[in-house]
Amino acid sequence: GENVEQHPSTLSVQEGDSAVIKCTYSDSASNYFPWYKQELGKGPQLIIDIRSNVGEKKDQRIAVTLNKTAKHFSLHITETQPEDSAVYFCAASIGGSYIPTFGRGTSLIVHP
Amino acid sequence: DAGVIQSPRHEVTEMGQEVTLRCKPISGHDYLFWYRQTMMRGLELLIYFNNNVPIDDSGMPEDRFSAKMPNASFSTLKIQPSEPRDSAVYFCAIRPDTQYFGPGTRLTVL
Repeated sequence: GENVEQHPSTLSVQEGDSAVIKCTYSDSASNYFPWYKQELGKGPQLIIDIRSNVGEKKDQRIAVTLNKTAKHFSLHITETQPEDSAVYFCAASIGGSYIPTFGRGTSLIVHP
Repeated sequence: DAGVIQSPRHEVTEMGQEVTLRCKPISGHDYLFWYRQTMMRGLELLIYFNNNVPIDDSGMPEDRFSAKMPNASFSTLKIQPSEPRDSAVYFCAIRPDTQYFGPGTRLTVL
């Protein structure tokens, strides 16, 4: 089955800096890659996703890149703010099922 | 979180007791998922339903775990008997287009 590796497990940045979280996946058939943000005491919430026919996608301060050849994808957050502090999960899924395999998560801490 | 209601939000029970977790999707969906989240193992998919039919329960850890979906607006996850290692946060998620998680139930088994 699919295996998703996520790094780093913890990321600490100063407010205003950029943050990058990287993931790799094992199954070349995966073609849908969502990213989730989980705040304390809440369930994961989708923040951005990318499909295999696209190399990059942006939404305001967040962007995701995908390299299908290398089987890795990344989340980029620019101009970080304290409210960006949360756990971020990457995921990968195959085909039209959209049943993702999740990475282990990255705890992002943004210091004011 | 408004699309999925989970109850209870917190449950503390003693080893050996039966525990029932509930999920009520509000919006339309075709899939419903149950996940377990722990520090050790991260997010684990336990079981998922398609149109109220269980499709894959290979993630259910033991026979002590069972899940039902009697209709499109309600699902339960039952643990009987519960054990301390079942302590975790349990999430229900639906899939209108992509996965949409509920707020979770934090279960503590003493």
